[in-house]
Amino acid sequence: EAQVTQNPRYLITVTGKKLTVTCSQNMNHEYMSWYRQDPGLGLRQIYYSMNVEVTDKGDVPEGYKVSRKEKRNFPLILESPSPNQTSLYFCATMGQGAYEQYFGPGTRLTVT
Amino acid sequence: DQQVKQNSPSLSVQEGRISILNCDYTNSMFDYFLWYKKYPAEGPTFLISISSIKDKNEDGRFTVFLNKSAKHLSLHIVPSQPGDSAVYFCAADSNAGGTSYGKLTFGQGTILTVHP
Repeated sequence: EAQVTQNPRYLITVTGKKLTVTCSQNMNHEYMSWYRQDPGLGLRQIYYSMNVEVTDKGDVPEGYKVSRKEKRNFPLILESPSPNQTSLYFCATMGQGAYEQYFGPGTRLTVT
Repeated sequence: DQQVKQNSPSLSVQEGRISILNCDYTNSMFDYFLWYKKYPAEGPTFLISISSIKDKNEDGRFTVFLNKSAKHLSLHIVPSQPGDSAVYFCAADSNAGGTSYGKLTFGQGTILTVHP
């Protein structure tokens, strides 16, 4: 079954404590991306990756890091989380030549 | 600056009637548009899309219309069903030679409620 998995699904943490949200896909897609969803703002792209070792900034990259060392994984790293990064995060993938993206189930992050 | 806007936060419709969700965009570089549907506690799922070379695309009960001159697109759902109750996001992409750049811009979303 084609899947995009995210872990953890829920996380409550404190300001400044480094964390990583993992994203993994089994569809052999080249493209992966991270979004955050906030009320009244919709989904905003944080970072995306067109292939292994190729990443680029989206619209709201500040405070986030990503890496793409292998095709199936695209972790999102918050080196020093702050309360304004409290949000619902989605990972997505897309096949080459396609336009529709497949989203993971989301990670609800709360930073206190 | 919101380049893709869904100005109606919510829409309530009776079962069997038509639902019309609207989306406006400002960036003339956008040339591919998508609609996603999102249920609570799930990720968005792709619904339907349209290229800028078309003005209409239909898939079953769902039709998307694109008016390039007005920079406006709409999603029509006919007939609406209670299971269509969800948040609907429009999204815009740009491409070179038919390949997505991968930089997708979403609207704020519209909550659709279909009453039985």
